[in-house]
Amino acid sequence: GAGVSQTPSNKVTEKGKYVELRCDPISGHTALYWYRQSLGQGPEFLIYFQGTGAADDSGLPNDRFFAVRPEGSVSTLKIQRTERGDSAVYLCASSLHGAGPMQAFFGQGTRLTVV
Amino acid sequence: AQSVTQPDIHITVSEGASLELRCNYSYGATPYLFWYVQSPGQGLQLLLKYFSGDTLVQGIKGFEAEFKRSQSSFNLRKPSVHWSDAAEYFCAVGPLGGSARQLTFGSGTQLTVLP
Repeated sequence: GAGVSQTPSNKVTEKGKYVELRCDPISGHTALYWYRQSLGQGPEFLIYFQGTGAADDSGLPNDRFFAVRPEGSVSTLKIQRTERGDSAVYLCASSLHGAGPMQAFFGQGTRLTVV
Repeated sequence: AQSVTQPDIHITVSEGASLELRCNYSYGATPYLFWYVQSPGQGLQLLLKYFSGDTLVQGIKGFEAEFKRSQSSFNLRKPSVHWSDAAEYFCAVGPLGGSARQLTFGSGTQLTVLP
């Protein structure tokens, strides 16, 4: 596609529920990143994929968070047993393999609200 | 550890006035510095970047930033603000040769433009 697409744009869920957030990167981009942006904060790195594999998941806060990219394109961020503290905007970015930060393109984000 | 401080949470300027957004960083090596803009419902967009050379860098939309090593600062400026510049601005730092997963963002400065 023309840009990084994230769906849904907004998600409201009840505490304890499971949610999935989707990211559709720019076609041909092998690197994909997930960030979390809490209210009043800048984005914080969660996980990085190179192709199908998670090359760096050091930013995931705990084992309730998991992400996949089975075919090396679309990625899904999965959150189990959601908590109110998970409420944030989840950003996805993609770039060509080996490209630096200046070539990472960001999606518009998914605003997750846990009530 | 690297860190970024944006001391101004919110700035209000009149349309046509000049703008300066402050950014201070802490980094153990030569930094790679960025400014991003985030408009409501939009993803992060790269305004400009610096990693070497001329300390005054030009970006898109008429923005510029000046790197001052002695002050560990990378302030963003624009001589005449337009109403469409109202958005949130993020400063970020990363390692040379690194990837987007290694970016550390500041907490952002929200810009309001008065008519």
